[in-house]
Amino acid sequence: EPEVTQTPSHQVTQMGQEVILRCVPISNHLYFYWYRQILGQKVEFLVSFYNNEISEKSEIFDDQFSVERPDGSNFTLKIRSTKLEDSAMYFCASSGEANEKLFFGSGTQLSVL
Amino acid sequence: GDSVTQMEGPVTLSEEAFLTINCTYTATGYPSLFWYVQYPGEGLQLLLKATKADDKGSNKGFEATYRKETTSFHLEKGSVQVSDSAVYFCALLPTSGTYKYIFGTGTRLKVLA
Repeated sequence: EPEVTQTPSHQVTQMGQEVILRCVPISNHLYFYWYRQILGQKVEFLVSFYNNEISEKSEIFDDQFSVERPDGSNFTLKIRSTKLEDSAMYFCASSGEANEKLFFGSGTQLSVL
Repeated sequence: GDSVTQMEGPVTLSEEAFLTINCTYTATGYPSLFWYVQYPGEGLQLLLKATKADDKGSNKGFEATYRKETTSFHLEKGSVQVSDSAVYFCALLPTSGTYKYIFGTGTRLKVLA
């Protein structure tokens, strides 16, 4: 079965540094998402992306966050200046249609020190 | 706002035991309901879904019935196997035309041989 690939699997960074989390969605999918899960808490929606623009974002997705699909295959999440509270598992997902099932990557564990 | 509440884990069972993982939701209208499973080192995968009241989703011996009257979508399996050890996430997709899935915290299941 096709899969969503995320890199790196673990990222450690210092507070205030920029990080870029990378995802390769399934090739014929059109809808892309980022979710995150802080340890012990719910999986939270961050942003959805369709047709080269953000279609929806949560309150968490403030000006420190941005997403990009730079080359038609990668889908990236950038955190401009990381905070301690950004430490979480970040999941990328994609789907073929808007309300079809989501295919998730295995996540990037981000640790901000 | 819309939300999902799952029973706390971890749940530890012996092989062939009966499994129930409780999930209740709060939402307006008639959301779609899902169970996702995350095996160690992998992304979340759709296990089953139900899109309207009284629908029963089933897959790999797991079942869940969409109960509008009790706003519940409990996951059950008659006889668990060691290979079912994973984290199980209940989720809903609101009816309001959003792409924003709402997840619970996840319930870790450990099945002992």
